[in-house]
Amino acid sequence: AQTVTQSQPEMSVQEAETVTLSCTYDTSESNYYLFWYKQPPSRQMILVIRQEAYKQQNATENRFSVNFQKAAKSFSLKISDSQLGDTAMYFCAFIQTGGGNKLTFGTGTQLKVEL
Amino acid sequence: DSGVTQTPKHLITATGQRVTLRCSPRSGDLSVYWYQQSLDQGLQFLIQYYNGEERAKGNILERFSAQQFPDLHSELNLSSLELGDSALYFCASSAFRDTNTGELFFGEGSRLTVL
Repeated sequence: AQTVTQSQPEMSVQEAETVTLSCTYDTSESNYYLFWYKQPPSRQMILVIRQEAYKQQNATENRFSVNFQKAAKSFSLKISDSQLGDTAMYFCAFIQTGGGNKLTFGTGTQLKVEL
Repeated sequence: DSGVTQTPKHLITATGQRVTLRCSPRSGDLSVYWYQQSLDQGLQFLIQYYNGEERAKGNILERFSAQQFPDLHSELNLSSLELGDSALYFCASSAFRDTNTGELFFGEGSRLTVL
C-alpha cells in the first residue's frame, strides 16, 4: 500500500519570503503522479501543482515549484514570494497510474504567512 | 468556485441516526468521488462512481453507502452514526473514468458533527 508522509504539521513564513514544505512517499510502483493540494479556510481543496513520475523535470506553476527526488521518494513544495493568501493547509497526494483512482493524501502541513 | 456543490454545509445529529449528504458535480463531469477528512486521519478515499456505476472503493464502512443518480448527482448515506464519524465529507468530480492526472474538483465539504 502507498503511504504519504508530511512531517511538518505547522510552518510559518514571512510575507515575500520563500518556504519549503516536505513530503515523502512510499510505493513499489514506477508509474504514478504526485500532487500538492491547498485547503484554505474556505475548506475547498484546490490543486496547486502536479508531477508525473516519469518526468525528470520538476514542475513549476508561477510561484510554486517542486523538488522531485524519485530515488529518495521525496516531493517537496517550494513557495516563493509568499503571500498572505497562501495561508492554508497543504496536502501532498499520490496516485498510482491505473491504480483504481484512489488519491492517497498526507496528513497536511498548516502554513501561515505572516506580515 | 469549483462548480461542485455539496449540501448541507453543516449537520449536527445524534449517535445512532442516519444522514444523507448530497453532491452535484461540475457540469459535464461523470465521475464523483467521496472523501472523509477527520482530524486524526487526514483525507481518506471512500468511494468513486462513474456514470452511475461504482468504479472504485476505498475505506468505506459497511454502515456507509453511496449512489450516483441518472442526473449524475450523488448521495452518501451514513447510518448508525457514531461519534467517530464526525468529520468533513468532501465530494469531488472529474470528467474522466480514471483520474490519473489527479485533477479533481472539490466541493466545500459537509461538516458532520455527531453528538
